[in-house]
Amino acid sequence: DTAVSQTPKYLVTQMGNDKSIKCEQNLGHDTMYWYKQDSKKFLKIMFSYNNKELIINETVPNRFSPKSPDKAHLNLHINSLELGDSAVYFCASSRQGGGTGELFFGEGSRLTVL
Amino acid sequence: AQSVSQHNHHVILSEAASLELGCNYSYGGTVNLFWYVQYPGQHLQLLLKYFSGDPLVKGIKGFEAEFIKSKFSFNLRKPSVQWSDTAEYFCAVNPSGAGSYQLTFGKGTKLSVIP
Repeated sequence: DTAVSQTPKYLVTQMGNDKSIKCEQNLGHDTMYWYKQDSKKFLKIMFSYNNKELIINETVPNRFSPKSPDKAHLNLHINSLELGDSAVYFCASSRQGGGTGELFFGEGSRLTVL
Repeated sequence: AQSVSQHNHHVILSEAASLELGCNYSYGGTVNLFWYVQYPGQHLQLLLKYFSGDPLVKGIKGFEAEFIKSKFSFNLRKPSVQWSDTAEYFCAVNPSGAGSYQLTFGKGTKLSVIP
């Protein structure tokens, strides 16, 4: 069983469209994250949820909206897609964010905006 | 806020060569330190971590890293690399006790091992 799974793995879409990426973890973790990895492989945190509550909301455009229906799921919805949104989006989870820093990553969702 | 710098953008080695990847961080307090690896087309996975105690930590696949507090460094080493070590390596740091959501990654070092 995959510990952190994301769907879809690949997403190709036109500018202006709206798309969603789903993430599920079966590790029993309390904290989930979305990271963006750009073309230069730089990883930047976007959001973090702890027990369905938003903890971290970095400087991300309002077009990005995370939703956590329960602590095992964290979805990412993106409105009005732009060229600059093209990237690999990684979901991750960790135990209650109380300090180890060990993250468990999904396999990534490669978004290409044309 | 903490920051992480990885000095080498791309390292190319022949098989059996020794590896050392540099990582320096800036933060005024105690930290937890990590190395993550991302094999081509795959997700990031933890290679090794340092919380406290012995500054020389051993990870999976023969990797080790040494925390030198005075130099704010946490360099990754492997005595003899293999072709299968070809990957992107990320150093990461978070303040001790601060939580995983304050984990900051470096920009990564791409390692290419030539057979």
